Amino acid sequence: AQTVTQSQPEMSVQEAETVTLSCTYDTSESDYYLFWYKQPPSRQMILVIRQEAYKQQNATENRFSVNFQKAAKSFSLKISDSQLGDAAMYFCAYRDTSGTYKYIFGTGTRLKVLA
Amino acid sequence: DAGITQSPRHKVTETGTPVTLRCHQTENHRYMYWYRQDPGHGLRLIHYSYGVKDTDKGEVSDGYSVSRSKTEDFLLTLESATSSQTSVYFCAISVGTGGPDTQYFGPGTRLTVL
Repeated sequence: AQTVTQSQPEMSVQEAETVTLSCTYDTSESDYYLFWYKQPPSRQMILVIRQEAYKQQNATENRFSVNFQKAAKSFSLKISDSQLGDAAMYFCAYRDTSGTYKYIFGTGTRLKVLA
Repeated sequence: DAGITQSPRHKVTETGTPVTLRCHQTENHRYMYWYRQDPGHGLRLIHYSYGVKDTDKGEVSDGYSVSRSKTEDFLLTLESATSSQTSVYFCAISVGTGGPDTQYFGPGTRLTVL
């Protein structure tokens, strides 16, 4: 069965600095999707970035980028120029293309941004 | 905002009572999901639906049932609520141009079972 692991329960970053959140996953599939979601104190789950496994190029969305290492089954999120509004829980998620359309989530990393 | 609403947003109930949570979407998406979120566990899938009257179990389905009689509504029922079902419940839809490849979430329902 597929699994998603976020080994950092909590991280801190100074405002304007860069931070990287780690995510590893386990799958025997070759084609799948990976996601990062942000959950601020409002509790709303917000899609941050999405990566398709067949694409070698790392996805980027403004200050957010990923480092996708398919062979290592690693999918880290880099936040550049951190802002106070980036403080939130961040969840890594996986979905394969086998047809079940189920998503698997990691346990989350709480990011604190220090002024 | 993917046009997903959940009701109620907050509920307090007593052990043994039935509870139904509603998820409503406005854009006729085929795939809908129910998750629960608990500290240290992330989001865990309870049930999901891939069409009207088509549903399947997730990893934590015991004690929960679902129904989908219309495309826009996906109901989650706790037949006899227990304290272990105190949680935050999220509904989600899955959309994409080539298939249901990205999930979007409702605002969540906080359920407390006393």
